[in-house]
Amino acid sequence: GQNIDQPTEMTATEGAIVQINCTYQTSGFNGLFWYQQHAGEAPTFLSYNVLDGLEEKGRFSSFLSRSKGYSYLLLKELQMKDSASYLCAVLDSNYQLIWGAGTKLIIKP
Amino acid sequence: GAVVSQHPSWVICKSGTSVKIECRSLDFQATTMFWYRQFPKQSLMLMATSNEGSKATYEQGVEKDKFLINHASLTLSTLTVTSAHPEDSSFYICSARSGGHPTSIQETQYFGPGTRLLVL
Repeated sequence: GQNIDQPTEMTATEGAIVQINCTYQTSGFNGLFWYQQHAGEAPTFLSYNVLDGLEEKGRFSSFLSRSKGYSYLLLKELQMKDSASYLCAVLDSNYQLIWGAGTKLIIKP
Repeated sequence: GAVVSQHPSWVICKSGTSVKIECRSLDFQATTMFWYRQFPKQSLMLMATSNEGSKATYEQGVEKDKFLINHASLTLSTLTVTSAHPEDSSFYICSARSGGHPTSIQETQYFGPGTRLLVL
C-alpha cells in the first residue's frame, strides 16, 4: 500500500530552527509537496521537490532523497505565525496526491 | 497565483436536507477539479476527481449517490451533499488544476478556501 509518515506534533521556540521529516512508500513518484495549513483554512503551497537535494526559499527549505524515500521541511527563524500543520504529499505514478496526516507545529515564545 | 473560490464558506443545515457547495476557478480554466474532505485533526481525504464535461471518479468508500459532483464548465464544479446527516459534518475543500502535464507546474493543485459544513 501507499504510506506517508510524518510526526504528529512538534514544538519549537520562536527564533529557532525546526526540521519536519516525512518518509514515504508510494507506487511511483512524481514529486513531493509540502503544504502549510492553518486551523480552519485550506492548505497553501510551500514547496515541490522532484530531484534529490535541497531547495531553499526564504526561511523555508525542503530536502529530498528519492533513494531513501525521505524528505524534510526546514523552517528557520521561527515566528509565531508559523504555528500550523505541515502536510507532506507525494504525487504517485497516477499523478494522484497521496497525503500524510500532517505535523502540527507549535511555536512557543 | 491562481485563485479558486468556494461558496458558501460556512453552512449549517438540518439533518435530511441537501447542501450544494460551489468551487470556481477565477482566473484560469480548470480542466480537473478535486474534492477533499477533512475531519478534525486528520489529513485531507480525496473524495472524487472531476473532469469538465465527464462523470466524476470517486474514491473507494465514497458514495457517489450521496455526494453528487457536477463539473459543467471549465470554471465551475459543484458538490451536493444529499440528505446530509451529522456524520457528514466536515471541512470540504476543492482544488483545481489547469490543463497540461500535472508536473509542468509546481503548484499541481490550487486550493479553494474550504467550506465548513455542520449538520444538526
